[in-house]
Amino acid sequence: DAGITQSPRYKITETGRQVTLMCHQTWSHSYMFWYRQDLGHGLRLIYYSAAADITDKGEVPDGYVVSRSKTENFPLTLESATRSQTSVYFCASRMGAEKRNTIYFGEGSWLTVV
Amino acid sequence: GQSLEQPSEVTAVEGAIVQINCTYQTSGFYGLSWYQQHDGGAPTFLSYNALDGLEETGRFSSFLSRSDSYGYLLLQELQMKDSASYFCAVGQAGTALIFGKGTTLSVSS
Repeated sequence: DAGITQSPRYKITETGRQVTLMCHQTWSHSYMFWYRQDLGHGLRLIYYSAAADITDKGEVPDGYVVSRSKTENFPLTLESATRSQTSVYFCASRMGAEKRNTIYFGEGSWLTVV
Repeated sequence: GQSLEQPSEVTAVEGAIVQINCTYQTSGFYGLSWYQQHDGGAPTFLSYNALDGLEETGRFSSFLSRSDSYGYLLLQELQMKDSASYFCAVGQAGTALIFGKGTTLSVSS
């Protein structure tokens, strides 16, 4: 049972570069989420998706782009990385509305922008 | 908007009981949940309260009072392995969970 996997797990990139973080889930969950975690800020929602081709902004969407052409994949792209985007990024998924508060997280992607 | 408040740090000794409080302000409330995260790991689901009252899961219990916009996580018979960060989260109309900033629990022997 692979669950939800993120890649890369660790990435160092330069300011201004485009970076894509991949997220893949094998559960056929409808909903997928991207959070970032920074010291002192907890987990903040970047974008989420209710189904393929349906995405919506979260609390901190600026500087990020998402797509969801297939149910199982939800990539997050930083179009022009900035140092403030250095963070740990967690992808998560949820089955459906009947278990609204139970979401499952991937192992995280540690991104450093230099 | 929405916001959640929880203490930043709590310390306790093995075998003790600790309570982590969470107050929230949100529209379209769909329940309060708790997640645990060990250093370097991913958050994992602990408990969920949709209605007022106490939910018990082993050594952990969670309480919700919707009229007070308040809940807490109670950890009993603390063990060293309970040292972690604990996040409260509220579900919203729509679908996403919004998390508090987390409470770091340190358990000492």
